[in-house]
Amino acid sequence: LAKITQPISMDSYEGQEVNITCSHNNIATNDYITWYQQFPSQGPRFIIQGYKTKVTNEVASLFIPADRKSSTLSLPRVSLSDTAVYYCLVGGRSGNTPLVFGKGTRLSVIA
Amino acid sequence: DTAVSQTPKYLVTQMGNDKSIKCEQNLGHDTMYWYKQDSKKFLKIMFSYNNKELIINETVPNRFSPKSPDKAHLNLHINSLELGDSAVYFCASSRGESYNSPLHFGNGTRLTVT
Repeated sequence: LAKITQPISMDSYEGQEVNITCSHNNIATNDYITWYQQFPSQGPRFIIQGYKTKVTNEVASLFIPADRKSSTLSLPRVSLSDTAVYYCLVGGRSGNTPLVFGKGTRLSVIA
Repeated sequence: DTAVSQTPKYLVTQMGNDKSIKCEQNLGHDTMYWYKQDSKKFLKIMFSYNNKELIINETVPNRFSPKSPDKAHLNLHINSLELGDSAVYFCASSRGESYNSPLHFGNGTRLTVT
């Protein structure tokens, strides 16, 4: 199983770009990297997913280096409503591969 | 319409009791899951079902028994509840058996065992 490490917490001011890095040294060949956002009293919500290089959507960007042993979630110009816990998830194509969540990064956005 | 709904939202019960949590998804997904989130916010997969068949059963006590009457429902029954079972339980679903399909989570059931 992939072992996942991410910072426990981060603080940022409104309007700044926030980068959260996830380490997954023993990621398997078939594993994808997915990020989720969780607000209090809600279930995690999908943000972005990638396999290699860079992926961008309307919410975030995901940077994955060639060795795929880490990934960085980039949130442009954060606002107070981006205060949440962000989870890195590594999982494979196979239905028998358990999905492993990181322990989450608590992002606090300050006005 | 809520895509993945769980009931109840809160469940307070005493040690030794048996309780069930229900989950339904209206997304037409083939795969459903149960996750446990402890007080430190760690999310751990417990079970995964694909088209009503169990495909993942992580190391959980056999007091926990999932049941999938059809592919839109995955219920979790817990026997002989213990203090350590207190947590938030999340149901989720995804399209197909491939784990690169994004997970859609319910809003959780907070179980408190006293």
